[in-house]
Order: sequence, then structure tokens, then C-alpha cells
Amino acid sequence: EILMTQSPATLSVSPGERATLSCRASRRIPINLAWYQQKPGQAPRLLIYDISTRATGVPARFSGSGSGTDFTLTISSLQSEDFAVYYCQQYADWPPWTFGQGTKVEVK
Amino acid sequence: EVQLVESGGGLVKPGGSLRLSCAASGFSFRDYPLSWVRQAPGKGLEWVASIIGTSSSIYYADSVKGRFTISRDNARYSIYLQMDSLRPEDTAVYYCARGKGAVGATIGIFDSWGQGTLVTVSS
Repeated sequence: EILMTQSPATLSVSPGERATLSCRASRRIPINLAWYQQKPGQAPRLLIYDISTRATGVPARFSGSGSGTDFTLTISSLQSEDFAVYYCQQYADWPPWTFGQGTKVEVK
Repeated sequence: EVQLVESGGGLVKPGGSLRLSCAASGFSFRDYPLSWVRQAPGKGLEWVASIIGTSSSIYYADSVKGRFTISRDNARYSIYLQMDSLRPEDTAVYYCARGKGAVGATIGIFDSWGQGTLVTVSS
């Protein structure tokens, strides 16, 4: 089972600033890495898959990068609607499909 | 528009059973795999089970194997999760989620989600 570790647990950012979220896998992942956004009381939403491909309707300010075991989700200029919890997830070695523990992006 | 609507959650005693349903619309149901993903209160996401379109391949997390059964009815555009021998640690919101691809790794790219149904296991 591939374990996913996200850092930091909480990220405090001012609106308009850049946010950089990290995700590390316990084993190498070729391309099979996704990111999800979850707002309070809502279901998760797919943002990014295959490390860097934005899902339908996802704004260009969201970008994914990385390779091997280390991956990054960048939000270039935080909007008010972007304050949420973000999860990374691997689908390289399955089952199980595994998620990180989440990073909460909060208003600084 | 893709829609997934879960139902069937509630309060159940340890050792009890519950059957969750997920009704789908807005896409060619039989062409897509569907999964259950749960989230304990205040915690992260945990994949539970997946079933591909033909029901010929089914996958379970170790934490529920032997206790939960996933199934689907393509004529009714629905999937189900039969949960037996429930434990307090099964308490969570259970989400139904669609896989982006028909088979393989992309079963686990969850591109559409329902709003979830809460299952509480407590005496």
C-alpha cells in the first residue's frame, strides 16, 4: 500500500497570495496522482489528475507538478472560494486507492 | 449533468446492518465504475469499495472486506453498499463517487461525487 503524506497540515495565506501544498508518496508514482478540494459541508471535488491535468471547469490558477515521490499543488492567487481542505490521492498501485490526510488552507 | 444521490444512512447499533443506495443520472451508467469513499467525523477520506460497469471486478478495502458488499443494478442506475457487522469505527459520511475511466487505475480517479449519507454506529 502506498502511503501519502501531506504538508503542512494547515497553511495560512492572505487572499491574492500564492499557496503551495506538498504531497509525498511512500513509493514512486509514475503519473497517477490526483488532487481534490473539499469545502465545509460539501463533497470533495476533483481538481487535478495525472499530476498536472486540470479537471473540467477548474480555473487555471490551480496547477499541479512533481515527479517520483514528491508532488505540489499550487494556487497562484488565492480567491475567497479557495479556502478549503485539499487532499492528494494516488492511483498507481491499487487497490487500495489512498489519500493523504489533507491540508487546510485558511485565511491569514 | 452528472448527479449522484446517496440514501440509506442512519443510526445503527454495533453488530447491526445497513444498506446504502446511490442513484445516478446524467451519464451512461453502465460505462462507468462507481465507488464508495467514506469520511469519519473531522477526518480525511478513505476509499471503501469499487465496482466496474459490468460488475465483473469488485474491490474492497481491507478494513471492510468480509463485512461490506458492493453491488450495482444497471437497469436502475444504482449502486448499493450492504454493510454488516458494523463497528463504531465505521461511523462516517459515505460518498458515492464515479470513476473517470472504465477500468484500471482510472477507476480511482473520482470525477463526480454525491453529497454523502451519514452512518452512525453507536449503542
